[in-house]
Amino acid sequence: GENVEQHPSTLSVQEGDSAVIKCTYSDSASNYFPWYKQELGKGPQLIIDIRSNVGEKKDQRIAVTLNKTAKHFSLHITETQPEDSAVYFCAASDSWGKLQFGAGTQVVVTP
Amino acid sequence: GAGVSQSPRYKVAKRGQDVALRCDPISGHVSLFWYQQALGQGPEFLTYFQNEAQLDKSGLPSDRFFAERPEGSVSTLKIQRTQQEDSAVYLCASSPVPPKHRGAGGNTIYFGEGSWLTVV
Repeated sequence: GENVEQHPSTLSVQEGDSAVIKCTYSDSASNYFPWYKQELGKGPQLIIDIRSNVGEKKDQRIAVTLNKTAKHFSLHITETQPEDSAVYFCAASDSWGKLQFGAGTQVVVTP
Repeated sequence: GAGVSQSPRYKVAKRGQDVALRCDPISGHVSLFWYQQALGQGPEFLTYFQNEAQLDKSGLPSDRFFAERPEGSVSTLKIQRTQQEDSAVYLCASSPVPPKHRGAGGNTIYFGEGSWLTVV
């Protein structure tokens, strides 16, 4: 089955700096790669996703890149703000939607 | 409602007790998923429904876990004879359309706030 690895497990950045989280996956059949943000006591919130026919996608301060050949994808957050502090999860799935999650990255943005 | 709704939000059960967790998916969503999230870890897949059909239950950890979605909307996850290792957040998620043809990409999946189960 699919295996997703996520790095780093914790990331501390100064407000205004960029944050990068990287994930690798094992199943070449995976073709959908969402990123979720989870705040304490809440469910995962979808922040951006990318499909296998696209190499990069951007939404304001958030961007995701996908390299299908290398089987890795990354989340980039620019101009970080304190409200970006949360746990971020990457995930991979095949077309019917069963998600395999990474272990999560705790992001702390310090003012 | 506007999002996936789960109840109860918090449940404390004595070991050996049965519990039932309810999920109201986004209206009209065909696909429904249950995930289990242990403290400090990512969500782990439990089971998947397409309308009322349970198409994948490979993630259910034991035969004490049972899920149903009899009318293709609301779903219930039942855990019998709860054990301490069942303590976790149980997340429900839904997606608007049936699976697309392989290769065309997946469908956006929306999560609820979760039901926090503590077994004492």
